[in-house]
Amino acid sequence: NAGVTQTPKFQVLKTGQSMTLQCAQDMNHEYMSWYRQDPGMGLRLIHYSVGAGITDQGEVPNGYNVSRSTTEDFPLRLLSAAPSQTSVYFCASSYSTDSTGGGTEAFFGQGTRLTVV
Amino acid sequence: QQPVQSPQAVILREGEDAVINCSSSKALYSVHWYRQKHGEAPVFLMILLKGGEQKGHDKISASFNEKKQQSSLYLTASQLSYSGTYFCGTVVPFFGGATNKLIFGTGTLLAVQP
Repeated sequence: NAGVTQTPKFQVLKTGQSMTLQCAQDMNHEYMSWYRQDPGMGLRLIHYSVGAGITDQGEVPNGYNVSRSTTEDFPLRLLSAAPSQTSVYFCASSYSTDSTGGGTEAFFGQGTRLTVV
Repeated sequence: QQPVQSPQAVILREGEDAVINCSSSKALYSVHWYRQKHGEAPVFLMILLKGGEQKGHDKISASFNEKKQQSSLYLTASQLSYSGTYFCGTVVPFFGGATNKLIFGTGTLLAVQP
């Protein structure tokens, strides 16, 4: 069972370039999300999805696009990379809720370390 | 808005206890706790739900005060393996229920020394 898989693990971009960070999960989770992690800032939510075809913005969505065409995949697109987007990016997935109506454990990918020069 | 965690960092010797606090300005549906070791992904520790239900780790305990919108994580008789950064994640109510939209705090760095 692979869990949550992110690719690539490392990436260097030049300012203005575009790229897509890939995230795939094999646990049939409805809920998927993208976070960025910067020193002293914790994990900040970029975008999230509650199921195929449904996405919404998180705390820091500017400069990023997402779409969700399948349950398994949730790619994050940087349209025009900027040095401020240098960060570690984590994808996470979970069931939306459990039988009691409470929250459920989020599983994280191993992260993508992105540097924009 | 991110929940506020305190302290920002704490250094312990093995066997000592620590408390990490998490405070939100919004009404909460649940609180999650995660631990992240350096260079690794965050790993789930526990969930605390409204009404007092707690799900997760058997060696770490936590509390959730719904009225005060606060949660505390209690690490007792700390071990070297407890070292890492601890994050609380808060879930706000959504149409009477909740999604799993987690907003994380800025983290608490815990270092346990021999």
